[in-house]
Amino acid sequence: DAGITQSPRHKVTETGTPVTLRCHQTENHRYMYWYRQDPGHGLRLIHYSYGVKDTDKGEVSDGYSVSRSKTEDFLLTLESATSSQTSVYFCAISENGGNYGYTFGSGTRLTVV
Amino acid sequence: DQQVKQNSPSLSVQEGRISILNCDYTNSMFDYFLWYKKYPAEGPTFLISISSIKDKNEDGRFTVFLNKSAKHLSLHIVPSQPGDSAVYFCAASARTGANNLFFGTGTRLTVIP
Repeated sequence: DAGITQSPRHKVTETGTPVTLRCHQTENHRYMYWYRQDPGHGLRLIHYSYGVKDTDKGEVSDGYSVSRSKTEDFLLTLESATSSQTSVYFCAISENGGNYGYTFGSGTRLTVV
Repeated sequence: DQQVKQNSPSLSVQEGRISILNCDYTNSMFDYFLWYKKYPAEGPTFLISISSIKDKNEDGRFTVFLNKSAKHLSLHIVPSQPGDSAVYFCAASARTGANNLFFGTGTRLTVIP
């Protein structure tokens, strides 16, 4: 599906534990993004990357970190998971940024208990 | 603060009739607007877009209208089909800065056969 995969698709974790979500692309796109989707909030940007080792914060970055050591992989880490981070997480890729649209992965449903 | 707003969480339309989904934005720097469609358990997929230099863009059954003075855009679907039932997200970006997409909260469209 446009060469973007997210893993895992579903995860249940305990409060206080670290969690890492993975996004992998085969399109060689420069830009990668992590969004979370919550009822009443739509899609909100957590972090994004504009190249290898180049990342920046989005609207809701507190409690999250990211890393991009290779063009194809963008990792999202919840340093110490909280119940408020229960959400559906989407990764997206773009060749040239927002004006050219994004391609989204299928999402990861994360539940923090 | 939500820069892109979709004030109708849901909309129901009879098959064959017109569906009109609305979106408002607050940031006057936005110059590119997109609509995404999302089915359950899938990532959002691109539907149609419009640049701020235009006031209308049409693609088959889908037409997006932009009113820059009102900071308002709408998506028209004619005729509506049951397969159009999904959540629709409006998104906007600005060429300046990070050029990220900002999303609305979504409107759930139900097309009744």
